[in-house]
Amino acid sequence: EDQVTQSPEALRLQEGESSSLNCSYTVSGLRGLFWYRQDPGKGPEFLFTLYSAGEEKEKERLKATLTKKESFLHITAPKPEDSATYLCAVQALGGSYIPTFGRGTSLIVHP
Amino acid sequence: KAGVTQTPRYLIKTRGQQVTLSCSPISGHRSVSWYQQTPGQGLQFLFEYFSETQRNKGNFPGRFSGRQFSNSRSEMNVSTLELGDSALYLCASSPGGGGTGELFFGEGSRLTVL
Repeated sequence: EDQVTQSPEALRLQEGESSSLNCSYTVSGLRGLFWYRQDPGKGPEFLFTLYSAGEEKEKERLKATLTKKESFLHITAPKPEDSATYLCAVQALGGSYIPTFGRGTSLIVHP
Repeated sequence: KAGVTQTPRYLIKTRGQQVTLSCSPISGHRSVSWYQQTPGQGLQFLFEYFSETQRNKGNFPGRFSGRQFSNSRSEMNVSTLELGDSALYLCASSPGGGGTGELFFGEGSRLTVL
């Protein structure tokens, strides 16, 4: 069974204090790993797709990286508007392609 | 381009009642998936429809059902509501075809069961 574990569950940062969120996964074969951002009261918003170990994607202050067992979402010099819950999901090769989601990391950035 | 639209946004029901939620996907998207989100379980997959056919189903009881219409709009129904059905129900659309993890979510329907 595919498993996705995100850590920490919650993270508080000061504005400008860089940090990383972790997503570790267990899947028989990885088709893709996805990062989403979810603001309170809204649906998740797609951020990145990563397909193979060593791949990196960047968007503004966010950079996602992938290894064979985990992915990191690095947040550089965060701003209060980066506060949200960040969700990771994995899609396995073969069988159902329905992504399995982790429970997310709730990030709060204080001004 | 309009996003995924879900109605109603909020609703309150009592145990034993039934509820129908509606989802209009992004124009041109043929796949619609439904998820239940709760603080304890996170995002749990309910089912996926493509071209009016249920293509995948999650591990939920038969009280949860859905359908998709020829215009790709989808509805899900929960019968005999239980307290544990209180959750945010999210609809997501994608272009379809071979299946992608890049989903476009609506803002959800917040269901409270009393």
